[in-house]
Amino acid sequence: DIQMTQSPSVLSASVGDRVTLNCKASQNINKYLNWYQQKLGEAPKLLIYNTNNLQTGIPSRFSGSGSGTDYTLTISSLQPEDVATYFCFQHNSWPLTFGSGTKLEIK
Amino acid sequence: EVQLVESGGGLVQPGRSLKLSCVASGFTFSNYGMNWIRQAPGKGLEWVAYISSGSSYIYYAETVKGRFTISRDNAKNTLYLQMTSLRSEDTALYYCAIHNSGYWGQGVMVTVSS
Repeated sequence: DIQMTQSPSVLSASVGDRVTLNCKASQNINKYLNWYQQKLGEAPKLLIYNTNNLQTGIPSRFSGSGSGTDYTLTISSLQPEDVATYFCFQHNSWPLTFGSGTKLEIK
Repeated sequence: EVQLVESGGGLVQPGRSLKLSCVASGFTFSNYGMNWIRQAPGKGLEWVAYISSGSSYIYYAETVKGRFTISRDNAKNTLYLQMTSLRSEDTALYYCAIHNSGYWGQGVMVTVSS
């Protein structure tokens, strides 16, 4: 099974900061990597699919990059509404697997 | 508008069974693979099972293999998850989701406890 390791587990940043969340796969996942945002009490929302494709309706301050085993979600200018937990998800091979999440807080 | 509505959850004793349903609308259900994904209280997301559009391909997480069965009825636009031999660690909010899409239901809670 492919293990997905996210770092950091908790990130505290100020409004307006550029924020980077990391996700590392235990083997090459060929860019089949999605990012989800989950706010408290809500279902997860797809932000980025296949590493760097912005889902419709998602603000352009969100972007993704990476290849092979290493992937990144970047928020160019952190907003108060971005407080949430972010999960990476690989759909390159079965079983599909999620990372354990990064909780993003406002300082 | 795409809608996925789960039902069938509840409180069940360990070792018992439960069947979840997910009724789909707003898209051509028979064209899409579907997933069940769960989230234990206060925990992360765990993919549970996948079924292809025509039910030819089915995959399970190791944690549920042999106990859970995913199925679908394309005529009824409905996805199912039959859960047997339930354990306390199966307690979670269960979501159905269209494969490789941003569409998820709101989830249905399953609590396994004596």
